[in-house]
Amino acid sequence: TQLLKQSPQFLSIQEGENLTVYCNSSSVFSSLQWYRQEPGEGPVLLVTVVTGGEVKKLKRLTFQFGDARKDSSLHITAAQTGDTGLYLCAGALNSGNTGKLIFGQGTTLQVKP
Amino acid sequence: EADIYQTPRYLVIGTGKKITLECSQTMGHDKMYWYQQDPGMELHLIHYSYGVNSTEKGDLSSESTVSRIRTEHFPLTLESARPSHTSQYLCASSGWGEQFFGPGTRLTVL
Repeated sequence: TQLLKQSPQFLSIQEGENLTVYCNSSSVFSSLQWYRQEPGEGPVLLVTVVTGGEVKKLKRLTFQFGDARKDSSLHITAAQTGDTGLYLCAGALNSGNTGKLIFGQGTTLQVKP
Repeated sequence: EADIYQTPRYLVIGTGKKITLECSQTMGHDKMYWYQQDPGMELHLIHYSYGVNSTEKGDLSSESTVSRIRTEHFPLTLESARPSHTSQYLCASSGWGEQFFGPGTRLTVL
């Protein structure tokens, strides 16, 4: 059972275009993280959202946490070739502060010049 | 500088060999994790630890074992490697929810 579903799984766009990646669940998360991973490397943390309805901006990236804390989105404005990579969302279930995360299956983004 | 390290980065070995993948962190985190990941796919938790002398199996069954004798060190061992163990192994640590990852070990078993 996929607790955290990401969509789309694959996205290929031209440089300069905008895109949105979605992360959805039926579970409520105490926090949600977004990571970016390049081939052969470990995921790098981009942002953590903890409050329902929260919006965070990181340069051209905008992250939103749903009001019910069950879903999140990542919007990239004017994508650049350097944005290419695997984007992963990960939710923390509030179960005894185990620190365990539930990962989505990832969205592979290719930005073409 | 606080960080998390994994060695080796790449390992190609023959079937039946015993291997240990090293993971160390300098952030003083109590919680550490091992994930298995195929290229471009999701991460599967195979082991985790809440602190020294604490280890638990993750959601994905694995023939590997782990130990946690020191806070900063969380090695993973395969007693007899097989081609089905070929994968990327990622180590992570956390203090408060957010996990920080090492660069990973790409293991190929021939």
